[in-house]
Amino acid sequence: ETGVTQSPTHLIKTRGQQVTLRCSSQSGHNTVSWYQQALGQGPQFIFQYYREEENGRGNFPPRFSGLQFPNYSSELNVNALELDDSALYLCASSPLGQRGTEAFFGQGTRLTVV
Amino acid sequence: GQQLNQSPQSMFIQEGEDVSMNCTSSSIFNTWLWYKQDPGEGPVLLIALYKAGELTSNGRLTAQFGITRKDSFLNISASIPSDVGIYFCAGLHSGGSNYKLTFGKGTLLTVNP
Repeated sequence: ETGVTQSPTHLIKTRGQQVTLRCSSQSGHNTVSWYQQALGQGPQFIFQYYREEENGRGNFPPRFSGLQFPNYSSELNVNALELDDSALYLCASSPLGQRGTEAFFGQGTRLTVV
Repeated sequence: GQQLNQSPQSMFIQEGEDVSMNCTSSSIFNTWLWYKQDPGEGPVLLIALYKAGELTSNGRLTAQFGITRKDSFLNISASIPSDVGIYFCAGLHSGGSNYKLTFGKGTLLTVNP
């Protein structure tokens, strides 16, 4: 059984560009959540996907969007990147019947916007 | 965005000492979780608490879900160097179909061998 994996691990982008981050959920987990973790802060909830649909969203603008695929993997897309988008982006997956509780995190993608 | 009030922000202790950290919120949560995060890694779940008043242990770690459902604490007994890291509390909102975790700012633990 593989854990949650994210790619890439590190990324540098220029302000105004677009970025796509990827997440493979843990085997058997059907719910994926994305979090943004700024330096020195706790993770902040961006949104959650369940059955390929957005299932709750935090306080993030529409330029943060996502997808979930039939195999439960997910993408986070950020358009028109801003300097403040620099952060560690974490993906967490949860097993069937326990959405959001037993959340297991990937190692994260470190995004730097210059 | 909202974050829980977690204290202390940092702790520097000697190996073998016990550690206590806590988390408070103005909101009620159905579930409290405690995570540990090492540098360059994602948070790893340590303990999950599902019921007000619940006291749960995982090895040297003990955590409690406050009676008011607005607070939780984590104790680590007989600390060892590998306990070093950032500890986060998280509360789970589970209203309707929306499940999201709200995190504290973390407690940075340093253990001096």
